[in-house]
Amino acid sequence: DGGITQSPKYLFRKEGQNVTLSCEQNLNHDAMYWYRQDPGQGLRLIYYSQIVNDFQKGDIAEGYSVSREKKESFPLTVTSAQKNPTAFYLCASSILQGGSSDEQYFGPGTRLTVT
Amino acid sequence: DQQVKQNSPSLSVQEGRISILNCDYTNSMFDYFLWYKKYPAEGPTFLISISSIKDKNEDGRFTVFLNKSAKHLSLHIVPSQPGDSAVYFCAASAIGNYQLIWGAGTKLIIKP
Repeated sequence: DGGITQSPKYLFRKEGQNVTLSCEQNLNHDAMYWYRQDPGQGLRLIYYSQIVNDFQKGDIAEGYSVSREKKESFPLTVTSAQKNPTAFYLCASSILQGGSSDEQYFGPGTRLTVT
Repeated sequence: DQQVKQNSPSLSVQEGRISILNCDYTNSMFDYFLWYKKYPAEGPTFLISISSIKDKNEDGRFTVFLNKSAKHLSLHIVPSQPGDSAVYFCAASAIGNYQLIWGAGTKLIIKP
């Protein structure tokens, strides 16, 4: 049963602590993405990776870090430098074909609350 | 600068009627457009897409229309059903670019 898993569903942290959000996919997709969603806003791209050991900053990368050591995994670390970390975080993956974008498949999301 | 705009934050439609969700874009390099549906506290799910070489794509109750000259696309849902109540996002990508640019979403409410 292929898909994208994100864990945990809900995460609570104290201000000043780093936290890592997990994202795993078994779809054999090349590309993986991290988005943030805030109320009343669209999805904003944090980081993306098209290939193992390579990743690119998105529109709002400041205060975040990622790694792509395996094709299946793309964890996101929310560091203490992120000014407003409380948000709904979504991980996605897609096949890369023909130089154009393809549908992105999303995980169920992680709601992070920092107090 | 928002490249993809969904100007209606919400839309209320009677069950059985047609729902029309609109999306405008500014970047003439966009060549692929997608619609996603999202329920609260879940990830978006892909609904339907259209390439810039077409002006219409249909899949069951869902049809997407693309007007390139007006830089406008719309999603039609006919007939609307209660399960269609969700937030709908429009997204676009440019030639040779794997990133999707997302609109802010429109919340569709289907009234019984």
